[in-house]
Amino acid sequence: GQQVMQIPQYQHVQEGEDFTTYCNSSTTLSNIQWYKQRPGGHPVFLIQLVKSGEVKKQKRLTFQFGEAKKNSSLHITATQTTDVGTYFCAATNYGGSQGNLIFGKGTKLSVKP
Amino acid sequence: ETGVTQTPRHLVMGMTNKKSLKCEQHLGHNAMYWYKQSAKKPLELMFVYNFKEQTENNSVPSRFSPECPNSSHLFLHLHTLQPEDSALYLCASSQEARNSPLHFGNGTRLTVT
Repeated sequence: GQQVMQIPQYQHVQEGEDFTTYCNSSTTLSNIQWYKQRPGGHPVFLIQLVKSGEVKKQKRLTFQFGEAKKNSSLHITATQTTDVGTYFCAATNYGGSQGNLIFGKGTKLSVKP
Repeated sequence: ETGVTQTPRHLVMGMTNKKSLKCEQHLGHNAMYWYKQSAKKPLELMFVYNFKEQTENNSVPSRFSPECPNSSHLFLHLHTLQPEDSALYLCASSQEARNSPLHFGNGTRLTVT
C-alpha cells in the first residue's frame, strides 16, 4: 500500500546543533502535515503545507514542501533540550480524505545538553 | 492542554474481558478518529467518523467495535483481545474529515495479558 518514508529513524545531537528530518513519497501528495510527540505524550499538530515549494517557519523550525509535492523536510536550527521528541510527517494523496492520512514512522530526536 | 479527553489513561485486561475506551472532544469538531500506536510502527488509522457516520474501517478485527453516539463522543469497545493488541490507542478529532489538522487525546495505554 501507499507509504510515506521518513528518515532518519533516530537522531542524536548535541544541544545547539541543527537537525533535519525528511519525508518522501513515490506519489504526488495533496498536502503534508507535521506533528511532534513528546516522550509519554500524544502527537501535537505543528503545521500543514499545501502548495508546491512552500516554505513555512515557526521560530527555529523551518518546514518545506518539495516542488513536485513528493517530499518534505523539517529543519530545526540550534536544537534545545525542549526539542526532544518524535517528529512525524503525515500526508494525503490527491483526491484522498483525512481517512487516508498516512503517517511516517517518525524521527526520534534526542538532544544532549 | 488537549481539547480531546480520553479515559482511562491506562488499562490492563485479560483476553476474556470486555472493556470500553472513551473519548470526548470539546472543540466543536465534526470528525473523530481512533488510531493505534505500536512500538516501531507508524500510527495506524482504525476508524473514522464524520458527522457521526462511520466513513473508514481499515480492516480492523471485529474484536474492536467503535461507537459514535454524537459528534462529541467516541467509544471503542474491546472484547476477546490478543496480547498483540497491546498498544497506545489514540483518539483524535478534526474540523472536517478532509485536510484538517488532527487534535489528539492523551491516549489509553492498553495492556492485554
